[in-house]
Amino acid sequence: ILNVEQSPQSLHVQEGDSTNFTCSFPSSNFYALHWYRWETAKSPEALFVMTLNGDEKKKGRISATLNTKEGYSYLYIKGSQPEDSATYLCATILGNQFYFGTGTSLTVIP
Amino acid sequence: ETGVTQTPRHLVMGMTNKKSLKCEQHLGHNAMYWYKQSAKKPLELMFVYSLEERVENNSVPSRFSPECPNSSHLFLHLHTLQPEDSALYLCASRPDSSYQETQYFGPGTRLLVL
Repeated sequence: ILNVEQSPQSLHVQEGDSTNFTCSFPSSNFYALHWYRWETAKSPEALFVMTLNGDEKKKGRISATLNTKEGYSYLYIKGSQPEDSATYLCATILGNQFYFGTGTSLTVIP
Repeated sequence: ETGVTQTPRHLVMGMTNKKSLKCEQHLGHNAMYWYKQSAKKPLELMFVYSLEERVENNSVPSRFSPECPNSSHLFLHLHTLQPEDSALYLCASRPDSSYQETQYFGPGTRLLVL
């Protein structure tokens, strides 16, 4: 079992603020780190798949970085909007199994 | 929409009932997953099928029985469940087992066991 931790558990920010949260994972036996966004009453949707140390990926106002040596990934949201309100999940993979964190619940207040 | 559908979306059942959850994908994916999401806990993997063969089974109680008749359909058969089995059950699929391939999730079935 791989222990994946996310912090903070929840976050409330004002519209327009930038924010970031963390995913920590075991640095040994690393293959890939997956980020998902999960809006209430919808399906989790893939944001990024990151594999290389130092990777940085961007999708609109959302970006992510990866440090495989120390076992963490950051997710950044620039200029948060109410539609960014969701739970953000990260997962690492070993074989066929994904190991998820408990997620960071983001609420953006208009 | 992710292309993965689940039915029913909500289910209430007694401990003596037998019911089945259905997952369907027409994305041409070869791997399918069942997850359990309980409050305040991470997504918990239950079963993985790759090319219709079960490849992972995380010591799930036998009251949960999966079935994968073809690469597009996945079932979770439920019988004599316990109240602690109440949770959100998510299905997911992937193109193949490469670690770089992401999962596509269904919307889930919210299960309440009375």
